[in-house]
Amino acid sequence: QKEVEQNSGPLSVPEGAIASLNCTYSDRGSQSFFWYRQYSGKSPELIMFIYSNGDKEDGRFTAQLNKASQYVSLLIRDSQPSDSATYLCAVNGEANAGKSTFGDGTTLTVKP
Amino acid sequence: DVKVTQSSRYLVKRTGEKVFLECVQDMDHENMFWYRQDPGLGLRLIYFSYDVKMKEKGDIPEGYSVSREKKERFSLILESASTNQTSMYLCAASVLRETQYFGPGTRLLVL
Repeated sequence: QKEVEQNSGPLSVPEGAIASLNCTYSDRGSQSFFWYRQYSGKSPELIMFIYSNGDKEDGRFTAQLNKASQYVSLLIRDSQPSDSATYLCAVNGEANAGKSTFGDGTTLTVKP
Repeated sequence: DVKVTQSSRYLVKRTGEKVFLECVQDMDHENMFWYRQDPGLGLRLIYFSYDVKMKEKGDIPEGYSVSREKKERFSLILESASTNQTSMYLCAASVLRETQYFGPGTRLLVL
């Protein structure tokens, strides 16, 4: 079992819809959770981070964390074609502070 | 603004050559990382460093070494390049458990 697993995708949604990206992790001691966006040929860039259970909103993006279920998700509201990218979930465990374990990513396509 | 730079965007080397990939960060961050990214395999950690002169192996260290003589600079060395080391190499920097900031990447082709 991988330490961080994401929906394999690809995920395709129409413009204006909600895109839902999911991630599960195996280390119960994980402390920090991140979503990165990676456009084709570019390096990953941070979208959101979340540390506490519940929801965290930033513009059209909402991160949701449920530590009991070891689950973190990213919702993108009013999806735009510019949101088309690969989204990487990353988790920082307790054992190695600062070292992130990345999921393989979910590729999202938003169709006009 | 945060900045991580890598010495080359594209690099072509021959099998058996020694290859140096340089990464510099201007954020005074303690942690620095080297990853490689291949289609279908995601981001894989090669080495990381928590401080000057400190290094720890990641998931795929074989065939690589690293050097961190100064806090802002983290070098990845391919001792004898092989074709299976053709990949995109990404450097990142972070503080404690915080966000990782990535450089633009070096696309390495080994012939």
